Amino acid sequence: SQQGEEDPQALSIQEGENATMNCSYKTSINNLQWYRQNSGRGLVHLILIRSNEREKHSGRLRVTLDTSKKSSSLLITASRAADTASYFCATGTGANSKLTFGKGITLSVRP
Amino acid sequence: NAGVTQTPKFQVLKTGQSMTLQCAQDMNHNSMYWYRQDPGMGLRLIYYSASEGTTDKGEVPNGYNVSRLNKREFSLRLESAAPSQTSVYFCASSEPQGAGQPQHFGDGTRLSIL
Repeated sequence: SQQGEEDPQALSIQEGENATMNCSYKTSINNLQWYRQNSGRGLVHLILIRSNEREKHSGRLRVTLDTSKKSSSLLITASRAADTASYFCATGTGANSKLTFGKGITLSVRP
Repeated sequence: NAGVTQTPKFQVLKTGQSMTLQCAQDMNHNSMYWYRQDPGMGLRLIYYSASEGTTDKGEVPNGYNVSRLNKREFSLRLESAAPSQTSVYFCASSEPQGAGQPQHFGDGTRLSIL
């Protein structure tokens, strides 16, 4: 069963705009990760945030985590056509190495 | 640096046929995973191997078997393929997740069962 649920399911924006994607989850986690998948390719890790962190940055990416609301958001600033892809959140729980993935968000960035 | 390599990239099978999907990683990772990705379903874990010599069931293990051949290789076998197993299969690897580590994915095997 999916732990993470992304919102919205699809997002279409103009190049240069910011894109915000949200992820909600149900049980306690020890880390949350965001991945990108380009069409026909495997997933690529973008950023990881641990349960004791509230915000992380990596280049044009900003991730926040609110454990009280069991939610996370991924912000991509100054989007580019090359950011067009599917984005997945994944949660890690317990002592093992498994992740549970959400169903993904399809982002389209129009040139 | 190849990362995670999956073979084959595409395969068409008839119902009842068997096949093995191969996965190899060159990052010296301990943990390896097999997922399937279906439209609207995201990724679902089939089996994983926390370390060489161990395997455990994931969310959707029925109809599949795995072998952790050595630290580098983790194979997925369909003994008697069914149309419901038509999917894209991804292999991934990572260090153990105690401190939170990213998973590295191959580019998938697109499997159609007629």
